[in-house]
Amino acid sequence: GAVVSQHPSWVICKSGTSVKIECRSLDFQATTMFWYRQFPKQSLMLMATSNEGSKATYEQGVEKDKFLINHASLTLSTLTVTSAHPEDSSFYICSAVGLWPTEAFFGQGTRLTVV
Amino acid sequence: SQKIEQNSEALNIQEGKTATLTCNYTNYSPAYLQWYRQDPGRGPVFLLLIRENEKEKRKERLKVTFDTTLKQSLFHITASQPADSATYLCALGDTGNQFYFGTGTSLTVIP
Repeated sequence: GAVVSQHPSWVICKSGTSVKIECRSLDFQATTMFWYRQFPKQSLMLMATSNEGSKATYEQGVEKDKFLINHASLTLSTLTVTSAHPEDSSFYICSAVGLWPTEAFFGQGTRLTVV
Repeated sequence: SQKIEQNSEALNIQEGKTATLTCNYTNYSPAYLQWYRQDPGRGPVFLLLIRENEKEKRKERLKVTFDTTLKQSLFHITASQPADSATYLCALGDTGNQFYFGTGTSLTVIP
């Protein structure tokens, strides 16, 4: 099946710094990429949807200036957590889809810890 | 806004039995519904997709039903095995490829 690579798998950063997470579709062109956040024992919470070459659409309650999403190509999307705080510590997962209808292919997730 | 609910509690069943997980939704008319499996610390893995005009889909020991009148999907795992223990997520999608996930159900298959 299709592969989505997410990097890094885990990261520890100091409060106030920024962290960039990459999501790449390795063997297909992703028309749409999604970013999710997941707290322990909870389901995936959609943060934003991004289409290549256009601005991301953020879900209600997600600060677009804090969670910067760039989808520069059909195979790469990045999420930058700016001025990170301990409450931003979470499991972040990206997914990518091709042409409709299709399943979503997920990255392996990034465990972010802000200290 | 749309609301998607799965089995409210963790599900424990005996090995060999059939596990049935439910996914109910409101305020939404999905074009299709999917089921994913998620293991701890990993991203979800796709299992099955069923379209709004399909009633049932099967894949090996898995069966999914989709009732758009009841706004419900049932996910069955027959002859369950301990290796089936995981969290199972349903996801609803529309024609715009927007995905929304349910709350997830933790399944434990007891040997």
